Amino acid sequence: AQKVTQAQTEISVVEKEDVTLDCVYETRDTTYYLFWYKQPPSGELVFLIRRNSFDEQNEISGRYSWNFQKSTSSFNFTITASQVVDSAVYFCALSEAGGGTSYGKLTFGQGTILTVHP
Amino acid sequence: NAGVTQTPKFQVLKTGQSMTLQCAQDMNHEYMSWYRQDPGMGLRLIHYSVGAGITDQGEVPNGYNVSRSTTEDFPLRLLSAAPSQTSVYFCASSSPQGYIYGYTFGSGTRLTVV
Repeated sequence: AQKVTQAQTEISVVEKEDVTLDCVYETRDTTYYLFWYKQPPSGELVFLIRRNSFDEQNEISGRYSWNFQKSTSSFNFTITASQVVDSAVYFCALSEAGGGTSYGKLTFGQGTILTVHP
Repeated sequence: NAGVTQTPKFQVLKTGQSMTLQCAQDMNHEYMSWYRQDPGMGLRLIHYSVGAGITDQGEVPNGYNVSRSTTEDFPLRLLSAAPSQTSVYFCASSSPQGYIYGYTFGSGTRLTVV
């Protein structure tokens, strides 16, 4: 069975601080996909990034960066120079590769509530 | 392009009442699913469908019923609402390669059962 663990329930930082959100996953599949979603106070789910199990390259997008390490089954997310608008709940998720009648189930972590204070 | 539309956005039910949460997508996606979001538990899969006429149970199916008569619609029925079903419900759709091309989520339905 797949499992995603986000051990940090809540994180509070002051604006301009860097913050890292941890994500650890478990799966028996050799092919899988990892995601990060942001849920701002308005409630919708905003897709941030997807990474497949064969691509361990780190990725940077503006102030966001992601560190994928298969050796430790982790897919951590760092926000550099945090801003108040980064305040949200962040979810890490894991999907198996589906197709046909095999549904690629998306398994979510518990979520990390990030609060950035001015 | 509406994407995934969920109605209603908010609902209050009394224990024992029944209701249907609506979900419609206009992207011709084969796959659709329902998740519930509870504090500290993330989103958990309730039911899913890989095409019209095909549905299956997810992680937390008890108390919910689904059907998929068309590609566009995937309603979620609460047969006899219980306070434990107080939650935020999300509908999602994707192609069979959602893990590659992405999942589209609706804006959610906040349900309170009193």
